[in-house]
Amino acid sequence: EPEVTQTPSHQVTQMGQEVILRCVPISNHLYFYWYRQILGQKVEFLVSFYNNEISEKSEIFDDQFSVERPDGSNFTLKIRSTKLEDSAMYFCASSEPGKGETQYFGPGTRLLVL
Amino acid sequence: GNSVTQMEGPVTLSEEAFLTINCTYTATGYPSLFWYVQYPGEGLQLLLKATKADDKGSNKGFEATYRKETTSFHLEKGSVQVSDSAVYFCAHHRSGAGSYQLTFGKGTKLSVIP
Repeated sequence: EPEVTQTPSHQVTQMGQEVILRCVPISNHLYFYWYRQILGQKVEFLVSFYNNEISEKSEIFDDQFSVERPDGSNFTLKIRSTKLEDSAMYFCASSEPGKGETQYFGPGTRLLVL
Repeated sequence: GNSVTQMEGPVTLSEEAFLTINCTYTATGYPSLFWYVQYPGEGLQLLLKATKADDKGSNKGFEATYRKETTSFHLEKGSVQVSDSAVYFCAHHRSGAGSYQLTFGKGTKLSVIP
């Protein structure tokens, strides 16, 4: 069964460093998403992406964040200058055309900012 | 605003016990409702969904009924197994043109003991 994959599974970085989290969505999906979950808190929506542009973003998704689909398979989340409060589990998700509400999630990347 | 409230965990049950995890939501319009499950070390997996009032979603012995009058979507299973130990997330899809954002509850950790 097709699945969303994410790399790395864990990332430790120093405050102020840039990180790139990578995702490979399911191949025939056209909508892509990033969510995050700070330890002990809710899973929160960050951004959705369709047709090579952001279609929706939350208040969390400020200028420090960016997303990109650099080729036909990868979908990345970049945090330009990490802060301690960026430490969280980051989930990528994708959905089929016309079925945007049914999203399939990857296993997540646990980011720790020191 | 849009929100999802789940019962606080953790929940510990003996094998074959009856499970209920309560979920209520606030939303404008008629959102679709979901239960996701996260097994240890894995990503969020869609467990079941319901897209309109009185719909019942079911999968793997789990059920939840979309109750618009009580704005609830409680998860139930008649006889839990050790393999059901996981974190369960209730979510809704915010209705609205072009919006595919999922809003999640905090998650309820279920532990089933033999």
